[in-house]
Amino acid sequence: KQEVTQIPAALSVPEGENLVLNCSFTDSAIYNLQWFRQDPGKGLTSLLLIQSSQREQTSGRLNASLDKSSGRSTLYIAASQPGDSATYLCAAVNQAGTALIFGKGTTLSVSS
Amino acid sequence: DTEVTQTPKHLVMGMTNKKSLKCEQHMGHRAMYWYKQKAKKPPELMFVYSYEKLSINESVPSRFSPECPNSSLLNLHLHALQPEDSALYLCASSSSGHASYNEQFFGPGTRLTVL
Repeated sequence: KQEVTQIPAALSVPEGENLVLNCSFTDSAIYNLQWFRQDPGKGLTSLLLIQSSQREQTSGRLNASLDKSSGRSTLYIAASQPGDSATYLCAAVNQAGTALIFGKGTTLSVSS
Repeated sequence: DTEVTQTPKHLVMGMTNKKSLKCEQHMGHRAMYWYKQKAKKPPELMFVYSYEKLSINESVPSRFSPECPNSSLLNLHLHALQPEDSALYLCASSSSGHASYNEQFFGPGTRLTVL
């Protein structure tokens, strides 16, 4: 059974700092891995989707990498801003290839 | 249109009430999902519809009844809920619900409170 773990659970940084969020998964036979952002009490916003054949994806200040052999993905945020404050969730597709298994998230706070 | 909409945004109901949550997407997606999210927890999958047919039911109690009237619309009918069912209910859609998995897009959710 796929399990997804995110470290750290919470992170506080000053504005402008570059940071890395970590995600690990137990079953390397994943189809894809998706990173989301969630603001308090809101729905999920998709940030990046990495196909199993890819090693990384970039969107603006965000870069996500995927290493299936080690069961790890990282989300790199460059030049963090207070507006980046949110909970970041990573999710791997389940073994049946039909739905997402989420980690518990990393809550990021960026101070100005 | 890359949006998934959900109504209502908030719902308060008693344990004897019957209510429905609605989800709609116009992206031509053929897979739609219901997730339940408790406070400070990640979303947990409830149901998956693929090509308007229920393909996954994650052992959800029968007081939750999903319905997919057409490829754009997904409902969740609620009856005789318990206070522990209070949560944020999220709807999502993707191009396909099969192994050729594609990116999932989420709606803003319905905040449900059961008294």
